Amino acid sequence: DADVTQTPRNRITKTGKRIMLECSQTKGHDRMYWYRQDPGLGLQLIYYSFDVKDINKGEISDGYSVSRQAQAKFSLSLESAIPNQTALYFCATSDEGDSGRYTFGSGTRLTVV
Amino acid sequence: QKEVEQNSGPLSVPEGAIASLNCTYSDRGSQSFFWYRQYSGKSPELIMSIYSNGDKEDGRFTAQLNKASQYVSLLIRDSQPSDSATYLCAQGTFGNEKLTFGTGTRLTIIP
Repeated sequence: DADVTQTPRNRITKTGKRIMLECSQTKGHDRMYWYRQDPGLGLQLIYYSFDVKDINKGEISDGYSVSRQAQAKFSLSLESAIPNQTALYFCATSDEGDSGRYTFGSGTRLTVV
Repeated sequence: QKEVEQNSGPLSVPEGAIASLNCTYSDRGSQSFFWYRQYSGKSPELIMSIYSNGDKEDGRFTAQLNKASQYVSLLIRDSQPSDSATYLCAQGTFGNEKLTFGTGTRLTIIP
């Protein structure tokens, strides 16, 4: 099994719908991140969390919310999806002792029509 | 101005040659720098980290950091077709609370 698992792998949803992307990890890492990747824009940080009670906004948090249900689970929600949220979404984890070494999930390709 | 700038490429290099990838950053307080490799359709993976001025070598890869000039580079010696990928430069804040990534440079090794 993968260390960082994202579900779903692909999703097509309609404008205005609420959608949740899920991330779970078996690395035992405290730090978890959500990034989106768009062609030509690189990886942009949406939210990050250092533990269940510590959640922080990233560069582009508007239109998104997150929930850290447990150390191993970090979910990203789009409350009302819009077409410009079409992107590849990555969850990542890291350990405080080696915090620049991210382990990424396989990504969720989200299309909003 | 983006905090981390990379030439998007594509950069084409003959097999066996040296590939040179460059990155500049704007935050003089940045403490740490990382190179991630991302194959098409895959997730990024860390290949090099560097924290001090100078060179750091790991196999065919050498990372170079010059804090005075605010640039970091990655050299790939004896380039192989399997090195064809997008290379992402990232900078870390103090304590690496979060990484800021560049837009990536697409590298193609020509057999």
